[in-house]
Amino acid sequence: DIQMTQSPSSLSVSVGDRVTITCQASQGISNYLNWYQQKPGKAPQLLIYDASNLETGVPSRFSGSGSGTDFTFTISGLQPEDIATYYCQHYDYFRPLYSFGQGTRLEIK
Amino acid sequence: QVQLVQSGAEVKKPGASVKVSCKASGYTFTGYYIHWVRQAPGQGLEWMGWINSNSGGTNYAQNLQGRVTMTRDTSISTAYMELSRLRSDDTAVYYCARDLTGGVMDVWGQGTTVTVSS
Repeated sequence: DIQMTQSPSSLSVSVGDRVTITCQASQGISNYLNWYQQKPGKAPQLLIYDASNLETGVPSRFSGSGSGTDFTFTISGLQPEDIATYYCQHYDYFRPLYSFGQGTRLEIK
Repeated sequence: QVQLVQSGAEVKKPGASVKVSCKASGYTFTGYYIHWVRQAPGQGLEWMGWINSNSGGTNYAQNLQGRVTMTRDTSISTAYMELSRLRSDDTAVYYCARDLTGGVMDVWGQGTTVTVSS
């Protein structure tokens, strides 16, 4: 099975910061990589799909990049409402199997 | 608007079964797969499987094979997830999610808390 390694597991941030989260696959996965935001007590929300496509209605300060094994999720100018946990998620087209990264929890400094 | 509405919280004893429903509205139910994802307290997200809402075909996570059954009733646009032989480590929030395409989960239910306790 393909393993997804997401880092860091937590991050202490300030409003206005540029935040970067990475997700690494144990083997090439093309661009089959999505990013979700989850606030406490709420369902996850899709932010980025297919590595770099912004979901409709999601603010442009969120972005994603990468292909193959290394992927990056960025928040350009953190806002207070962005405090949440973020997950990457991979889709193995050939299995088909789905796996989530371990999550990155953002905390205010 | 497009939404998925799940059934309410459940408390079950070890060894029992639980069945959670997920009612779709605002789109053509049979046009999209439905995934089930769970989250144990304080933990990350775990994919459980999907159901093809049109054909009824399913694909389950290997660690749940034999205990999970996903079904649907197209007449009422509702998907179901039944988990049997419950254990304490099945205590979690269970979510359904629509598959937009290729594993992209674009719409989620509000979650159903299942507590397994003697």
